[in-house]
Amino acid sequence: NAGVTQTPKFQVLKTGQSMTLQCAQDMNHNSMYWYRQDPGMGLRLIYYSASEGTTDKGEVPNGYNVSRLNKREFSLRLESAAPSQTSVYFCASSYDRAEAFFGQGTRLTVV
Amino acid sequence: AQKVTQAQTEISVVEKEDVTLDCVYETRDTTYYLFWYKQPPSGELVFLIRRNSFDEQNEISGRYSWNFQKSTSSFNFTITASQVVDSAVYFCALEGNNRLAFGKGNQVVVIP
Repeated sequence: NAGVTQTPKFQVLKTGQSMTLQCAQDMNHNSMYWYRQDPGMGLRLIYYSASEGTTDKGEVPNGYNVSRLNKREFSLRLESAAPSQTSVYFCASSYDRAEAFFGQGTRLTVV
Repeated sequence: AQKVTQAQTEISVVEKEDVTLDCVYETRDTTYYLFWYKQPPSGELVFLIRRNSFDEQNEISGRYSWNFQKSTSSFNFTITASQVVDSAVYFCALEGNNRLAFGKGNQVVVIP
């Protein structure tokens, strides 16, 4: 069982470049989440999806877009990366308000 | 809006001491869930405990225990007889209306 798989694990972007972070879960979970983690800030919710076909903004959505492609996959896109988006990104999924399972994280640096 | 506050940032204890982590939450939801997660130095996030808003019974699981008090909106977590392996960041989280919000975390350092 892979659980929650995020790709890539590391990425360096130049300011203004775009990229998509991929996330897939194989646990048949309905809810999926994207967080960013910055020192001293904890985990801040960027976007979430309560079910296939729905997405909602979290606490810090500016500069990001998401797609819930199907029940398994939830991608996060940075259209024009900025240095302020340098962070560790975590994808997570959960079923029916149970505990969330997290991916290993993506360490993104924007220079 | 949901909010989770973990006031203490870093807590240092000597091995075998107990450590209690405070968590205060705000929500307008009548049904919600509370969680504690651990993030060791390796970086992964590990689920520890879950409690729903209707169940205020406090429990002990091994060296972990928690104290949920709805009247004060608090969900505190205690590690008994701490060990070096408990050194990690601990996050309190609140789920309501399909949103999962985290506090800023408590860095726990257990000194051998």
